[in-house]
Amino acid sequence: DQQVKQNSPSLSVQEGRISILNCDYTNSMFDYFLWYKKYPAEGPTFLISISSIKDKNEDGRFTVFLNKSAKHLSLHIVPSQPGDSAVYFCAASLERGGADGLTFGKGTHLIIQP
Amino acid sequence: NAGVTQTPKFQVLKTGQSMTLQCAQDMNHNSMYWYRQDPGMGLRLIYYSASEGTTDKGEVPNGYNVSRLNKREFSLRLESAAPSQTSVYFCASSMTSEQYFGPGTRLTVT
Repeated sequence: DQQVKQNSPSLSVQEGRISILNCDYTNSMFDYFLWYKKYPAEGPTFLISISSIKDKNEDGRFTVFLNKSAKHLSLHIVPSQPGDSAVYFCAASLERGGADGLTFGKGTHLIIQP
Repeated sequence: NAGVTQTPKFQVLKTGQSMTLQCAQDMNHNSMYWYRQDPGMGLRLIYYSASEGTTDKGEVPNGYNVSRLNKREFSLRLESAAPSQTSVYFCASSMTSEQYFGPGTRLTVT
């Protein structure tokens, strides 16, 4: 059973607009959440993270929101740029700083239209 | 500073053959990981090593073995490859929760 779910396989957004990628999780023991970006034929690269004690974390154009009661997080990219076209993975960890490995969603393919 | 390197980049095996995927990191990270990614799927954890000298099973360990050779190197071995092991394999390392990934090995088993 999938513990981290990204229900939108793809999302198309116009350049300059806001991109919103969503992620839901079922395991209430998850304590730390991360977003990764992946280009074809490359490994995932870390983008931004958030601890379960926070509800928002911002880094430049990227903001992650966490709604712990709804077990939902979202990644906002504003403004969207052509280089943002990639697959975005939501991931969760049982413990910040823990070494147990991450649980990933299936990914959302973001396409930025010129 | 190369980060995480993986060899080979591509490999084709026949069913029943064995091979070892190599991974090395130069970031002095304690923890290392092996994941596989199948089409339309997220990454799934095969094995991990929280520190030098320890290894543990992840979500999908069957058909694989690992060796943490030293702090830098973590290898993944397929003893008898099966078509179900056709996948892209990613190695990662971390000091905290943020993991850093290698470029991947694309393995096809015929």
